[in-house]
Amino acid sequence: DAKTTQPPSMDCAEGRAANLPCNHSTISGNEYVYWYRQIHSQGPQYIIHGLKNNETNEMASLIITEDRKSSTLILPHATLRDTAVYYCIVRVAGGSYIPTFGRGTSLIVHP
Amino acid sequence: DSGVTQTPKHLITATGQRVTLRCSPRSGDLSVYWYQQSLDQGLQFLIQYYNGEERAKGNILERFSAQQFPDLHSELNLSSLELGDSALYFCASSGEVSGNTIYFGEGSWLTVV
Repeated sequence: DAKTTQPPSMDCAEGRAANLPCNHSTISGNEYVYWYRQIHSQGPQYIIHGLKNNETNEMASLIITEDRKSSTLILPHATLRDTAVYYCIVRVAGGSYIPTFGRGTSLIVHP
Repeated sequence: DSGVTQTPKHLITATGQRVTLRCSPRSGDLSVYWYQQSLDQGLQFLIQYYNGEERAKGNILERFSAQQFPDLHSELNLSSLELGDSALYFCASSGEVSGNTIYFGEGSWLTVV
């Protein structure tokens, strides 16, 4: 699986959009980008994933660049409850894989 | 709610003891994964089972073992416990129904004293 690079920490004001970047410059054509988050001491929570098109669900939006070498997770209206560590993972489509979690980005949403 | 259920949620035991952590995967998921997360550490993959068979092994100690039963629930057995085994243990599951997206349980807090 391609390696990902994320900033170690970010902060955001409550009510504003939080834009979390991820670099995956070695991604291959059949690899998806997945995002998870982990609120302190809770289980990692799946957020969203995409291949090359932008994706949106009730939690967030995922913007993938045209060359697929980077992506941005957008929380449109961050709340205090969005304070968590966010992980970007790249994996091949289907089949079995073992997600490897790096350090992720620690997002702090402040009032 | 991810649909992955782990028990117990909290466990305190003494060094040298043995404990069993249990995981019920999401309905229909055939794969189960176990991860360990020590204080302020990242998630470390331990082992994966698929439909009862061991599929992949990570940095799992020889004192630890796991199995997946015919009803697809899984157990992680930790023996000869040491203080350093104190951690959060997460179970996750995936399956074709969810497009192989992996969903995690809420974890089992193990404290070894």
